[in-house]
Amino acid sequence: QVELVESGGGVVQPGGSLRLSCAASGFMFSSYGIHWARQTPGKGLEWVGFIQSGGTNKHYADSVKGRFTISRDNSKSIVYLQMNSLRTEDAALYFCARDVRYSCDYWGQGTLVTVSS
Amino acid sequence: QTVVTQEPSFSVSPGGTVTLTCGLSSASVSTSHYPSWYQQIPGRAPRRLIYTTNSRSSGVPDRFSGSILGDKAALTITGAQADDESDYYCKLYMGGDIWMFGGGTKLTVL
Repeated sequence: QVELVESGGGVVQPGGSLRLSCAASGFMFSSYGIHWARQTPGKGLEWVGFIQSGGTNKHYADSVKGRFTISRDNSKSIVYLQMNSLRTEDAALYFCARDVRYSCDYWGQGTLVTVSS
Repeated sequence: QTVVTQEPSFSVSPGGTVTLTCGLSSASVSTSHYPSWYQQIPGRAPRRLIYTTNSRSSGVPDRFSGSILGDKAALTITGAQADDESDYYCKLYMGGDIWMFGGGTKLTVL
């Protein structure tokens, strides 16, 4: 069965860095694009970015552009979200999700990022 | 700056019908935005209900349907049940591998 598992969340100081991972299983990983999205406690979902199946093309929300980088290792079925220059407003539950026909059909359970001094 | 708009909250009686909408601050929503809809309990993973405007995800009851109504995407729940009480989000494709979520609608069934 399709499964996505995020990891790497934790507590980081403002200005710090963190790398999240999204490990996939149960499907042909290299054939699918992957989204990252986040949700601040008590707030709505925010789309963070997307990486195409081959890994060459990546796109980001304006709020993270220039600070966050998405990459993938198709040999390991993992997508990464490198987060630099973190701000307090980046604190959220981060989800990865598989893209199918411009939508997210399977989601992970999320990993929590706290940005605090 | 483009914003995806949703009603912040909505209420429906058990057995009733409710239509949630998803609009754009600066344009009309069309099928080219490939609207998708998600149900979410806060803190848990969203569940996809509808994709490409009106295709229902596997296992989703047929009381959920999607459409374009005027200049907005719409999610209609016909015969609402108590366990439909949840947050609902739409997601639009903006082109160039960029997507946006709406602010979400908190649906109460009472």
